[in-house]
Amino acid sequence: IVMTQSPATLSVSPGERVTLSCRASQSVSSNLAWYQQRPGQAPRLLIYDASTRATGIPARFSGSGSGTEFTLTISGLQSEDFAVYYCQQYNNWITFGQGTRLEIK
Amino acid sequence: QVQLVQSGAEVKKPGASVKVSCKASGYSFISYSLHWVRQAPGQRLEWMGWINAGIGTRKYSQRFQGRGTISSDTSANTAYMELNSLRPEDTAVYYCARVTSAGNFDYWGQGTLVTVSS
Repeated sequence: IVMTQSPATLSVSPGERVTLSCRASQSVSSNLAWYQQRPGQAPRLLIYDASTRATGIPARFSGSGSGTEFTLTISGLQSEDFAVYYCQQYNNWITFGQGTRLEIK
Repeated sequence: QVQLVQSGAEVKKPGASVKVSCKASGYSFISYSLHWVRQAPGQRLEWMGWINAGIGTRKYSQRFQGRGTISSDTSANTAYMELNSLRPEDTAVYYCARVTSAGNFDYWGQGTLVTVSS
Protein backbone atom coordinates (compact mmCIF):
# COMPACT_ATOMS: atom_id res chain seq x y z
CA ILE A 1 0.00 0.00 0.00
CA VAL A 2 1.46 3.35 -1.05
CA MET A 3 0.96 6.27 1.34
CA THR A 4 1.09 9.75 -0.14
CA GLN A 5 1.32 12.85 2.04
CA SER A 6 0.63 16.42 1.06
CA PRO A 7 1.97 18.98 0.99
CA ALA A 8 5.67 18.11 1.12
CA THR A 9 6.43 21.31 3.03
CA LEU A 10 4.19 23.72 4.88
CA SER A 11 5.35 27.16 6.04
CA VAL A 12 3.27 28.44 8.91
CA SER A 13 3.50 30.87 11.80
CA PRO A 14 3.33 29.93 15.48
CA GLY A 15 -0.21 30.00 16.80
CA GLU A 16 -1.78 29.02 13.47
CA ARG A 17 -3.85 25.93 12.76
CA VAL A 18 -2.63 23.49 10.12
CA THR A 19 -3.99 20.41 8.42
CA LEU A 20 -1.76 17.72 6.95
CA SER A 21 -3.11 15.13 4.53
CA CYS A 22 -2.35 11.46 3.96
CA ARG A 23 -3.84 9.30 1.23
CA ALA A 24 -3.63 5.52 0.91
CA SER A 25 -3.56 3.75 -2.44
CA GLN A 26 -6.22 1.36 -1.11
CA SER A 27 -8.39 1.23 1.96
CA VAL A 28 -6.55 0.82 5.27
CA SER A 29 -9.73 1.08 7.34
CA SER A 30 -8.74 3.07 10.46
CA ASN A 31 -5.35 1.39 10.79
CA LEU A 32 -3.45 4.64 10.44
CA ALA A 33 -0.94 6.32 12.73
CA TRP A 34 0.81 9.69 12.71
CA TYR A 35 4.35 10.31 13.96
CA GLN A 36 6.37 13.44 14.61
CA GLN A 37 10.10 13.41 13.95
CA ARG A 38 12.38 16.22 15.10
CA PRO A 39 15.90 16.53 13.65
CA GLY A 40 18.24 13.88 14.99
CA GLN A 41 15.48 12.11 16.92
CA ALA A 42 13.45 8.96 16.51
CA PRO A 43 9.82 9.28 15.44
CA ARG A 44 7.27 9.87 18.21
CA LEU A 45 3.79 8.37 18.07
CA LEU A 46 1.09 11.06 18.06
CA ILE A 47 -2.10 9.42 16.82
CA TYR A 48 -3.14 5.80 16.25
CA ASP A 49 -6.27 4.15 14.91
CA ALA A 50 -6.67 7.33 12.83
CA SER A 51 -8.03 9.49 15.64
CA THR A 52 -6.80 8.30 19.07
CA ARG A 53 -4.13 10.42 20.72
CA ALA A 54 -1.22 8.50 22.14
CA THR A 55 -0.35 8.79 25.81
CA GLY A 56 0.94 12.24 26.74
CA ILE A 57 0.12 13.89 23.41
CA PRO A 58 -1.42 17.37 23.78
CA ALA A 59 -5.03 17.93 22.77
CA ARG A 60 -3.95 20.38 20.04
CA PHE A 61 -3.14 17.31 17.92
CA SER A 62 -6.12 15.59 16.35
CA GLY A 63 -6.57 13.02 13.61
CA SER A 64 -9.49 12.05 11.43
CA GLY A 65 -10.40 9.95 8.44
CA SER A 66 -10.89 6.36 7.40
CA GLY A 67 -10.50 4.25 4.32
CA THR A 68 -8.08 6.11 2.07
CA GLU A 69 -8.19 9.75 3.24
CA PHE A 70 -6.75 10.98 6.53
CA THR A 71 -5.84 14.28 8.13
CA LEU A 72 -3.75 15.44 11.04
CA THR A 73 -4.70 18.82 12.46
CA ILE A 74 -2.52 20.83 14.80
CA SER A 75 -4.22 23.78 16.48
CA GLY A 76 -2.25 26.65 17.95
CA LEU A 77 1.17 25.68 16.62
CA GLN A 78 3.97 25.90 19.15
CA SER A 79 7.68 26.19 18.45
CA GLU A 80 8.31 22.53 19.31
CA ASP A 81 5.78 21.42 16.68
CA PHE A 82 7.99 22.42 13.75
CA ALA A 83 9.18 19.02 12.60
CA VAL A 84 8.47 16.34 10.00
CA TYR A 85 5.23 14.37 10.24
CA TYR A 86 4.74 10.87 8.85
CA CYS A 87 1.64 8.79 8.41
CA GLN A 88 1.86 4.99 8.65
CA GLN A 89 -0.63 2.30 7.70
CA TYR A 90 -0.68 -1.02 9.50
CA ASN A 91 -3.67 -2.61 7.79
CA ASN A 92 -1.61 -4.62 5.31
CA TRP A 93 2.03 -5.01 6.37
CA ILE A 94 3.48 -1.60 7.20
CA THR A 95 4.24 1.39 5.01
CA PHE A 96 4.94 5.05 5.68
CA GLY A 97 4.23 8.24 3.81
CA GLN A 98 7.07 10.39 2.56
CA GLY A 99 6.49 13.01 5.24
CA THR A 100 5.35 16.62 5.52
CA ARG A 101 7.86 19.14 6.81
CA LEU A 102 6.38 21.89 8.95
CA GLU A 103 8.61 24.95 8.91
CA ILE A 104 8.41 28.35 10.53
CA LYS A 105 7.19 31.13 8.25
CA GLN B 1 10.16 3.18 32.08
CA VAL B 2 10.28 1.53 28.68
CA GLN B 3 13.62 1.94 26.93
CA LEU B 4 15.12 0.59 23.75
CA VAL B 5 18.86 1.17 23.58
CA GLN B 6 20.66 0.43 20.33
CA SER B 7 24.29 -0.27 19.54
CA GLY B 8 26.59 2.39 18.15
CA ALA B 9 27.28 3.66 14.66
CA GLU B 10 28.96 1.39 12.13
CA VAL B 11 31.01 1.97 8.99
CA LYS B 12 31.13 -0.93 6.57
CA LYS B 13 32.50 -1.65 3.13
CA PRO B 14 30.24 -2.81 0.30
CA GLY B 15 29.65 -6.55 0.47
CA ALA B 16 30.16 -6.72 4.23
CA SER B 17 27.56 -7.50 6.91
CA VAL B 18 26.35 -5.47 9.86
CA LYS B 19 24.56 -6.54 13.03
CA VAL B 20 22.69 -3.95 15.09
CA SER B 21 21.42 -4.69 18.58
CA CYS B 22 18.44 -3.31 20.49
CA LYS B 23 18.30 -3.88 24.26
CA ALA B 24 14.87 -3.56 25.83
CA SER B 25 14.08 -2.67 29.42
CA GLY B 26 11.12 -1.57 31.49
CA TYR B 27 8.64 -4.12 30.14
CA SER B 28 8.23 -7.82 29.43
CA PHE B 29 10.44 -8.43 26.37
CA ILE B 30 8.56 -11.52 25.25
CA SER B 31 5.16 -9.85 25.41
CA TYR B 32 5.69 -7.40 22.55
CA SER B 33 7.00 -7.73 19.02
CA LEU B 34 9.98 -5.63 18.04
CA HIS B 35 10.21 -4.19 14.55
CA TRP B 36 13.06 -2.75 12.55
CA VAL B 37 12.63 0.40 10.47
CA ARG B 38 15.29 2.24 8.54
CA GLN B 39 15.60 5.77 7.18
CA ALA B 40 18.05 6.61 4.41
CA PRO B 41 19.18 10.24 4.22
CA GLY B 42 16.26 12.43 3.14
CA GLN B 43 14.03 9.41 2.56
CA ARG B 44 10.86 8.08 4.14
CA LEU B 45 10.83 5.51 6.88
CA GLU B 46 11.05 1.96 5.53
CA TRP B 47 9.78 -1.04 7.44
CA MET B 48 12.11 -4.04 7.37
CA GLY B 49 10.60 -6.76 9.52
CA TRP B 50 9.74 -7.91 13.03
CA ILE B 51 10.26 -10.56 15.63
CA ASN B 52 8.16 -11.84 18.48
CA ALA B 53 10.65 -13.41 20.82
CA GLY B 54 7.90 -14.91 22.94
CA ILE B 55 6.51 -17.18 20.24
CA GLY B 56 9.58 -17.30 17.98
CA THR B 57 7.95 -15.73 14.97
CA ARG B 58 9.69 -13.40 12.57
CA LYS B 59 8.64 -11.83 9.28
CA TYR B 60 10.41 -9.66 6.72
CA SER B 61 9.38 -7.20 4.11
CA GLN B 62 9.94 -8.48 0.58
CA ARG B 63 12.84 -6.08 0.10
CA PHE B 64 14.84 -7.64 2.93
CA GLN B 65 13.78 -11.26 2.64
CA GLY B 66 16.93 -13.27 2.07
CA ARG B 67 19.37 -10.50 2.93
CA GLY B 68 18.26 -9.58 6.43
CA THR B 69 18.01 -11.65 9.58
CA ILE B 70 16.19 -10.60 12.74
CA SER B 71 16.95 -12.56 15.89
CA SER B 72 16.68 -12.23 19.64
CA ASP B 73 18.23 -13.32 22.91
CA THR B 74 15.47 -13.50 25.50
CA SER B 75 17.97 -13.95 28.33
CA ALA B 76 19.45 -10.56 27.44
CA ASN B 77 16.17 -8.87 26.42
CA THR B 78 17.88 -7.96 23.17
CA ALA B 79 16.87 -8.09 19.53
CA TYR B 80 19.25 -8.03 16.59
CA MET B 81 19.04 -7.05 12.96
CA GLU B 82 21.72 -8.35 10.61
CA LEU B 83 21.97 -7.18 7.02
CA ASN B 84 24.25 -8.92 4.54
CA SER B 85 25.79 -7.98 1.21
CA LEU B 86 25.71 -4.31 2.11
CA ARG B 87 25.44 -1.73 -0.66
CA PRO B 88 25.96 2.04 -0.49
CA GLU B 89 22.19 2.50 -0.67
CA ASP B 90 21.90 0.65 2.65
CA THR B 91 23.40 3.71 4.31
CA ALA B 92 20.70 4.74 6.75
CA VAL B 93 19.69 5.14 10.35
CA TYR B 94 18.29 1.85 11.59
CA TYR B 95 15.66 1.93 14.34
CA CYS B 96 14.10 -0.75 16.47
CA ALA B 97 10.56 -0.03 17.66
CA ARG B 98 8.09 -1.74 19.94
CA VAL B 99 4.72 -2.45 18.41
CA THR B 100 1.41 -2.18 20.24
CA SER B 101 -1.39 -4.69 19.82
CA ALA B 102 -2.91 -2.24 17.35
CA GLY B 103 0.12 -2.35 15.06
CA ASN B 104 1.69 1.04 15.61
CA PHE B 105 5.02 1.86 17.27
CA ASP B 106 4.86 3.35 20.74
CA TYR B 107 8.54 3.23 21.70
CA TRP B 108 11.60 3.61 19.50
CA GLY B 109 15.31 3.09 19.95
CA GLN B 110 17.60 6.06 19.47
CA GLY B 111 18.69 4.84 16.04
CA THR B 112 21.96 3.41 14.71
CA LEU B 113 23.69 5.02 11.74
CA VAL B 114 25.12 2.47 9.34
CA THR B 115 27.37 3.92 6.66
CA VAL B 116 28.34 1.77 3.68
CA SER B 117 31.26 3.20 1.79
CA SER B 118 34.38 1.96 0.08
